[in-house]
Amino acid sequence: DLQMTQSPSSLSASVGDRVTISCRASQGISDFLAWYQQRPGKVPKLLIYGASTLQSGVSSRFSGSGSDTYFTLTISNLQPEDVATYYCQRYGSAPWTFGPGTKVELK
Amino acid sequence: EVQLVQSGAEVKKPGESLKISCKASGYTFSTYWIAWVRQMPGKGLEWMGIIYPDDSDTRYGPSFEGLVTISADKSITTAYLQWDSLKPSDSAMYYCARAGESGGVSNWGQGTLVTVSS
Repeated sequence: DLQMTQSPSSLSASVGDRVTISCRASQGISDFLAWYQQRPGKVPKLLIYGASTLQSGVSSRFSGSGSDTYFTLTISNLQPEDVATYYCQRYGSAPWTFGPGTKVELK
Repeated sequence: EVQLVQSGAEVKKPGESLKISCKASGYTFSTYWIAWVRQMPGKGLEWMGIIYPDDSDTRYGPSFEGLVTISADKSITTAYLQWDSLKPSDSAMYYCARAGESGGVSNWGQGTLVTVSS
């Protein structure tokens, strides 16, 4: 079965920093990759789909890149409201597997 | 406006059955995949499965095949997740979510908390 991995599992950064999270698929998935943000105690929110397309209404501080097996989510100018856990997800062919998540905290 | 409204929190005993629901509105229910996602306390998101309401085509995640049943009723635009015999390890938050127009899962229900305890 396809596996999704993320690194790091957690990170601590300062307001204004640029943060990059990686996601790897154990098999090629083209660009069928989405990123989600889940703030503490909240429902997950779609940030990016198609590996790099920003969901409507999502801040342009978020960007995604990659294809096949390696993907990244970058948060530029980190803000306090970005404190959350971020998940990548493969979609398209079932199963739509999630990565284990990356927890982003403020220093 | 797309809305997914889930049924309320449940407290059940081991061995009991349960069916939770996800009422959809604001779009053509039949033509979008609906997913179910589990989140155990303090843990990550786990994809359980999806259903295409128009023809009830259903796919399950490997960890959930045979353990749960996903269904949908087009006539009342509602999707369901059910268990025949709950275990304490089924205690979790369960989300339903609709596939996005172009990818990913764009709309989420508020979640249903299931607690299984003797």
